[in-house]
Amino acid sequence: AQSVTQLDSQVPVFEEAPVELRCNYSSSVSVYLFWYVQYPNQGLQLLLKYLSGSTLVKGINGFEAEFNKSQTSFHLRKPSVHISDTAEYFCAVGEGGGNKLTFGTGTQLKVEL
Amino acid sequence: NAGVTQTPKFQVLKTGQSMTLQCAQDMNHEYMSWYRQDPGMGLRLIHYSVGAGITDQGEVPNGYNVSRSTTEDFPLRLLSAAPSQTSVYFCASTGSTDTQYFGPGTRLTVL
Repeated sequence: AQSVTQLDSQVPVFEEAPVELRCNYSSSVSVYLFWYVQYPNQGLQLLLKYLSGSTLVKGINGFEAEFNKSQTSFHLRKPSVHISDTAEYFCAVGEGGGNKLTFGTGTQLKVEL
Repeated sequence: NAGVTQTPKFQVLKTGQSMTLQCAQDMNHEYMSWYRQDPGMGLRLIHYSVGAGITDQGEVPNGYNVSRSTTEDFPLRLLSAAPSQTSVYFCASTGSTDTQYFGPGTRLTVL
């Protein structure tokens, strides 16, 4: 069985400050990890994914994440946030790929002026 | 290329009514899935399909039926709606790059 824990339900941050959204996972099979973003009243869209290879993954909108196998983590980071980054962010683990995903409960990122 | 489309966008039902949420994709993806999103619970997988004619249950399948007669369409049926099924429903399809593409969602209220 696989599971995802997002420890922070809400993260407030000032514009241009750095941010880290935390994600820890457990999985009994090969690990495929994803971060999705959901803007208000919209569906989810992929930010980035880790399937294999380099543990540092770069995504859209300046976000990046690092896969840490020993810590079973896949934290999302951005060095300088913008107001437009205000959204809900979901970490997910895939069972053998990107199909059957288990999502975390989400982290609401609120960027303030 | 419309991606994943869902209809309706909003729906209000009375307890006991049935309805079908429609989902279609034009990307020729084999894998499709249905999720429900509830506050504080993230997205939970209801049913999924690995291709036409093949479906399987996800984490929360009770009260829902699916079928997959074509690659493009994956409707979700509520057999007898209950207030606990009030939620936002998302359909998604997955391509060869392991990326799931989500529809815009259907907001369902059961009174």
